[in-house]
Amino acid sequence: EPEVTQTPSHQVTQMGQEVILRCVPISNHLYFYWYRQILGQKVEFLVSFYNNEISEKSEIFDDQFSVERPDGSNFTLKIRSTKLEDSAMYFCASTSTGGDYGYTFGSGTRLTVV
Amino acid sequence: KDQVFQPSTVASSEGAVVEIFCNHSVSNAYNFFWYLHFPGCAPRLLVKGSKPSQQGRYNMTYERFSSSLLILQVREADAAVYYCACGAAGNKLTFGGGTRVLVKP
Repeated sequence: EPEVTQTPSHQVTQMGQEVILRCVPISNHLYFYWYRQILGQKVEFLVSFYNNEISEKSEIFDDQFSVERPDGSNFTLKIRSTKLEDSAMYFCASTSTGGDYGYTFGSGTRLTVV
Repeated sequence: KDQVFQPSTVASSEGAVVEIFCNHSVSNAYNFFWYLHFPGCAPRLLVKGSKPSQQGRYNMTYERFSSSLLILQVREADAAVYYCACGAAGNKLTFGGGTRVLVKP
């Protein structure tokens, strides 16, 4: 069964550093998403991406965040200057349609900012 | 505010039917999606749609603003976190806080 792959599974970074979280969506999928889950809290929407541009973003997705699909297979989330409160599990997801069939999720990257 | 509500914990005994209720206040959302999540793994879609649906031991009831996931003949291995999510065509999914299912042998 096709999978969404996320790397790394766990990243520790110092406050103020830049991090890039990587995702390889399912190859024929067209819509891509990043969600995050702070420990003990809800899964929160960050951003959706379609046709090489952001289609929707949440209030959380401020100027410190950016997404890119640099080579047609990878889908990356960059946090420019990490804060302690960015510590969370970050999930990538993809779907072939606009969500009617649900997403396929990756297993997540746990980001720890120290 | 767009929100999805589900209980934080449901406990059951092995072999019973577990029901997890979910309701929402998400604008224009009419689809429900139920995910199973084991820590460290990818959340897995169990059942979805805008009508009652069944996939194996998983049943989904449907009303416009609420849905229940029923897990038939629950086993210890079903102990995990179950997420309810809502969405509309072309839109993002909004997730509930997750329900931890506890199964007593």
